[in-house]
Amino acid sequence: VQLVESGGGLVQPGGSLRLSCTASGFTFGTYPMAWVRQAAGKGLEWISYITIESGTIYYADSVKGRFTISRDNAKNSLYLQLNSLRAEDTAIYFCAREGSLDPYFDYWGHGTLVTVSS
Amino acid sequence: QSALTQPRSVSGSPGQSVTISCTGTSSDVGAYNFVSWYQQHPGTAPKLLIYDVSERPSGVPDRFSGSKSGNTASLTISGLQPEDEAEYYCCSYAGTSTYVFGPGTNVAVL
Repeated sequence: VQLVESGGGLVQPGGSLRLSCTASGFTFGTYPMAWVRQAAGKGLEWISYITIESGTIYYADSVKGRFTISRDNAKNSLYLQLNSLRAEDTAIYFCAREGSLDPYFDYWGHGTLVTVSS
Repeated sequence: QSALTQPRSVSGSPGQSVTISCTGTSSDVGAYNFVSWYQQHPGTAPKLLIYDVSERPSGVPDRFSGSKSGNTASLTISGLQPEDEAEYYCCSYAGTSTYVFGPGTNVAVL
């Protein structure tokens, strides 16, 4: 199982970015997925979840209305569109696979760094 | 979505046991048997240690164990090893596919 994030970078406040997570080593379309972020020196923060057919999506209050999660099972890819970025969104963004039966995260990518600064 | 509560740090000598507590509420830890624990070494991705309160994925040493009582979950590391020095995060399912994490506990092996 491998998850590889990309798309991070430096962006000005109010700007946008699109993160990608490419999966391999498992049948991507049969697992729910999530994004979790970690600010420098801080703890983990769950930010979004998507079911296998994108039928159900949830967001943390801190990103609701600004971030959009999506997936393309044909491309084994998970995405996170980040809009209206704020300094407090600066963090490493991890994609994570949810367990097949119960809610936990059994595999994680190594993350992509998003820096929001002028 | 308030964070869970964990001690900032714990420490022990090699071979000793340490326990990390994780306190939530009746809406998360107390409501579901879906507490998980993750180990993170500096600069690396988190690694799943425990799921469903006390279940270990294959490959995780049996010196790691989990439990729960009421709104508090615990991770115990028995027979502490130098490689166990890391940050440990608890996580609880909080309903409707949402999750809440603790702030992390630094485990130091003296």
